[in-house]
Amino acid sequence: AQSVTQPDIHITVSEGASLELRCNYSYGATPYLFWYVQSPGQGLQLLLKYFSGDTLVQGIKGFEAEFKRSQSSFNLRKPSVHWSDAAEYFCAVGEKGYGGSQGNLIFGKGTKLSVKP
Amino acid sequence: EPEVTQTPSHQVTQMGQEVILRCVPISNHLYFYWYRQILGQKVEFLVSFYNNEISEKSEIFDDQFSVERPDGSNFTLKIRSTKLEDSAMYFCAFRDRRNAIQYFGAGTRLSVL
Repeated sequence: AQSVTQPDIHITVSEGASLELRCNYSYGATPYLFWYVQSPGQGLQLLLKYFSGDTLVQGIKGFEAEFKRSQSSFNLRKPSVHWSDAAEYFCAVGEKGYGGSQGNLIFGKGTKLSVKP
Repeated sequence: EPEVTQTPSHQVTQMGQEVILRCVPISNHLYFYWYRQILGQKVEFLVSFYNNEISEKSEIFDDQFSVERPDGSNFTLKIRSTKLEDSAMYFCAFRDRRNAIQYFGAGTRLSVL
């Protein structure tokens, strides 16, 4: 069965420092990959996605992610974290057949990001 | 980003009661989803709804759950007889027909006492 692993439950970084959130997935074919962010009391907002093509994708709020097929990873990065980035981050993969008319998302357990002033 | 409105934002109910959670997408879409997130756990798929019928459902989506689009706009999730373990955040999502992105609402927090 497909799965998504986010090995870090909670990460704390200082404001202005760089950030990398890890995500590994299990899926045989080229996956549809997503990063969502959930701020307190808010819904899931899409940060970025990877479907095909350039393996380095840019998203909103200065985030980027790199798809590495050899490592089955899709890590999220930001060069300089702002206090407003404190939130929970979820990596997700489209279920097999996602590129067609249907298909649901399989989520990781999330990584909570805290930002120190 | 397209907007998805979910109501209520918080629902408190007694065990055994029926609850209906509502979702209203701004645009007219064909693909709808319900997910839930038990506190401290991952977001889990419940059911997908396509062309006015269930297209896929998870093991969680048992006979206590049902979904419908009663008036062509609202998309509802009904839990017939709530259990304590139904306490969770329930997210509605829809898929943009132009691409494969799912857009989520802010969620309804269901508390079963």
